[in-house]
Amino acid sequence: AQKVTQAQTEISVVEKEDVTLDCVYETRDTTYYLFWYKQPPSGELVFLIRRNSFDEQNEISGRYSWNFQKSTSSFNFTITASQVVDSAVYFCALRSIQGAQKLVFGQGTRLTINP
Amino acid sequence: DSGVTQTPKHLITATGQRVTLRCSPRSGDLSVYWYQQSLDQGLQFLIQYYNGEERAKGNILERFSAQQFPDLHSELNLSSLELGDSALYFCASSVVDTGSGANVLTFGAGSRLTVL
Repeated sequence: AQKVTQAQTEISVVEKEDVTLDCVYETRDTTYYLFWYKQPPSGELVFLIRRNSFDEQNEISGRYSWNFQKSTSSFNFTITASQVVDSAVYFCALRSIQGAQKLVFGQGTRLTINP
Repeated sequence: DSGVTQTPKHLITATGQRVTLRCSPRSGDLSVYWYQQSLDQGLQFLIQYYNGEERAKGNILERFSAQQFPDLHSELNLSSLELGDSALYFCASSVVDTGSGANVLTFGAGSRLTVL
């Protein structure tokens, strides 16, 4: 069975601090995809990034960066110089290329950036 | 605007009632997925349709049903509603990424159901 664990339920930091959101996953598949979604207070789910299991290169997009480590089954997300607008719930998700290909989500991490 | 349209945005109803949630996928997307987000269960996959046919089933109750129509819009029917069905229901549609082969799910804004 596939499982995604986001152990941090809530994180609160002061603006401009760096913050890392942890994601650990479980799967028996050799080929799979990992995702991060953001859910701002308005409620919609916004896609941030997708990573396939063969590509362990870290990725940076502006203030966002992602660290994928297959050896530890982790796909962590770092926000550098956080801003109030980053306040949201962040979800990590896993998807196999086989079978139902459904997205399995973690429980989410509520991130609050205080001014 | 994600391109996935869900109606209604909010719905308040009573226990025992039946409601229908509607989803129009992004133009060109053939797959539609339904997810339920509740405080205790988190984001749970309910069901997937591809070009009108049911493709996968998740934790969908027997009181719930869905279908995808020839124009590709989808409806999720929830009947004999209980208090515990109160949740945010998301529809998503998928884009095929020809480069990697992975589908990115684009979510709608959700339909918030409150059962009183």
